[in-house]
Amino acid sequence: RKEVEQDPGPFNVPEGATVAFNCTYSNSASQSFFWYRQDCRKEPKLLMSVYSSGNEDGRFTAQLNRASQYISLLIRDSKLSDSATYLCVVKENFNKFYFGSGTKLNVKP
Amino acid sequence: GAVVSQHPSRVICKSGTSVKIECRSLDFQATTMFWYRQFPKQSLMLMATSNEGSKATYEQGVEKDKFLINHASLTLSTLTVTSAHPEDSSFYICSAQLHLAGGPTGELFFGEGSRLTVL
Repeated sequence: RKEVEQDPGPFNVPEGATVAFNCTYSNSASQSFFWYRQDCRKEPKLLMSVYSSGNEDGRFTAQLNRASQYISLLIRDSKLSDSATYLCVVKENFNKFYFGSGTKLNVKP
Repeated sequence: GAVVSQHPSRVICKSGTSVKIECRSLDFQATTMFWYRQFPKQSLMLMATSNEGSKATYEQGVEKDKFLINHASLTLSTLTVTSAHPEDSSFYICSAQLHLAGGPTGELFFGEGSRLTVL
């Protein structure tokens, strides 16, 4: 079983739609959680950290469910520029990070 | 601006030559950096953890003599692909953790990546 699992997609949504991604992790002792965005042929960039109480940044909302061991990312009012691959990253200890395979999002006009 | 800088961004070399890629942390010290490679339409694959002042820790299946890692200072790690062959062509990315005073988590920041093409 992989440490972090994501639905690879692609998710094809129209502009303005709301879309949500989930990511499950296997180690209940995992400490920190992040969502990264990766554009084609570019490096991943931090989108947001995920806090226990949930957090929001503009159109983006991240949530953590420790009991069920998953994190989620909700994107409201999708823009064409949101098209990218979204990576779930889980930190187990100081130096151990695990990456999901990424979920591809295509926002269509 | 960039927190982690990687150079070169693109390199084309002949088979059998060696290529060095640099990863620098800007304005912060990184005792640990990470090296990944990524094939098209696939996720990042961790190759090794680079530790300042000591030997790198390689992931299973990654050849230590093929991918030489040196982390001689707190702001610089280098990856040298030795005797490169066409199958080594890939996108190589480094990352480092940034711990801010009072910050909670130590997020990873990535270099811009280096696209290696071996002819």
